Amino acid sequence: SQQGEEDPQALSIQEGENATMNCSYKTSINNLQWYRQNSGRGLVHLILIRSNEREKHSGRLRVTLDTSKKSSSLLITASRAADTASYFCATPLTGSGNTGKLIFGQGTTLQVKP
Amino acid sequence: DAGVIQSPRHEVTEMGQEVTLRCKPISGHNSLFWYRQTMMRGLELLIYFNNNVPIDDSGMPEDRFSAKMPNASFSTLKIQPSEPRDSAVYFCASSLVNEQFFGPGTRLTVL
Repeated sequence: SQQGEEDPQALSIQEGENATMNCSYKTSINNLQWYRQNSGRGLVHLILIRSNEREKHSGRLRVTLDTSKKSSSLLITASRAADTASYFCATPLTGSGNTGKLIFGQGTTLQVKP
Repeated sequence: DAGVIQSPRHEVTEMGQEVTLRCKPISGHNSLFWYRQTMMRGLELLIYFNNNVPIDDSGMPEDRFSAKMPNASFSTLKIQPSEPRDSAVYFCASSLVNEQFFGPGTRLTVL
């Protein structure tokens, strides 16, 4: 079954507002990653948070991780029209034989209106 | 570095034809992944290689799909014969440790 599930599926906000997306997963992880996909493009890695970290920042991005709830959130502050994209969380497949395989969620589609 | 390179970028073919998608991973990366993305099914992992060896092909839909990685700098995904339901965007990605780097994708349309 799918490891990561994003919520909401779609989000529409005005430029300048903050956008929050959530991700839940099912098994223990050693890290969680967020990716962005612009329409018609490949996914681009945004940020990785390790299981021993609770919060991480990168520019206007803030990621939190709660391993007790098996959930993560991605906050984009002061959103811009260029942030319009789909956002995916991804977790590595743990266990023997894992060589970098990621399980991706279904994604949150974010629309930022100018 | 040019990033992950995929070719062709667009492919339109007729049902029953053979389709070959190509991927050049980032130099030095030891894992390569093939994904398929559709509106209905989202992003699906088809197969991945580590050090040129196929590790998990459980996502390959059926025997019409095959993938090879003859060396560290080249991989192919072949569909033979193609069917309209194979229409999708196919992505190749490579990685070294954690982060995966995606190519621009091949948009396949099977008529």
